[in-house]
Amino acid sequence: SQTIHQWPATLVQPVGSPLSLECTVEGTSNPNLYWYRQAAGRGLQLLFYSVGIGQISSEVPQNLSASRPQDRQFILSSKKLLLSDSGFYLCAWKGNGYTFGSGTRLTVV
Amino acid sequence: AQSVTQLDSHVSVSEGTPVLLRCNYSSSYSPSLFWYVQHPNKGLQLLLKYTSAATLVKGINGFEAEFKKSETSFHLTKPSAHMSDAAEYFCVVSDFYSGNTGKLIFGQGTTLQVKP
Repeated sequence: SQTIHQWPATLVQPVGSPLSLECTVEGTSNPNLYWYRQAAGRGLQLLFYSVGIGQISSEVPQNLSASRPQDRQFILSSKKLLLSDSGFYLCAWKGNGYTFGSGTRLTVV
Repeated sequence: AQSVTQLDSHVSVSEGTPVLLRCNYSSSYSPSLFWYVQHPNKGLQLLLKYTSAATLVKGINGFEAEFKKSETSFHLTKPSAHMSDAAEYFCVVSDFYSGNTGKLIFGQGTTLQVKP
């Protein structure tokens, strides 16, 4: 069966520190992968999507970047976090339907 | 461009009473529509989806939604609310304009409060 793993579940980071959130998918190959963010009191916004290894599309200009070094691995990164990067980050993949990871709650202090 | 509007940011019901969460969408073509639920600090769980088959869609936990093209609506209902239904609900449309990318467009979310 297909599963999606996302970690860590919670993270508190100081302003200016780097970030790396990882998402991996099992049980499928060449999935479409997505990073979404939910800011406090707002809906989910698509940040990045990837249709294959090394292929990244950015939806909104921001302080974050994404990479897909392997077929089933999708990484969200930042070199220097801002306070506005706080939020709930969700990784998702599209198979027959959409499957979401359990999310990472990031607080930048 | 496609868009989704959830008409209520917050809905409060008593346990055992009906639930109605409203959603309107904008699309030039027949969209795929979804309702997801998010419990606190948890990921998203699919409640139901519409993909151009039957207009009345039944989902998990007693929820259902009706696709009304003439009203461009996809409201979520449940006959009797349970305390465990308290969560945030998202109406979502799939973006057909993006070819194979399958991007999802989310509404702003509706927080459902269930009072004892």
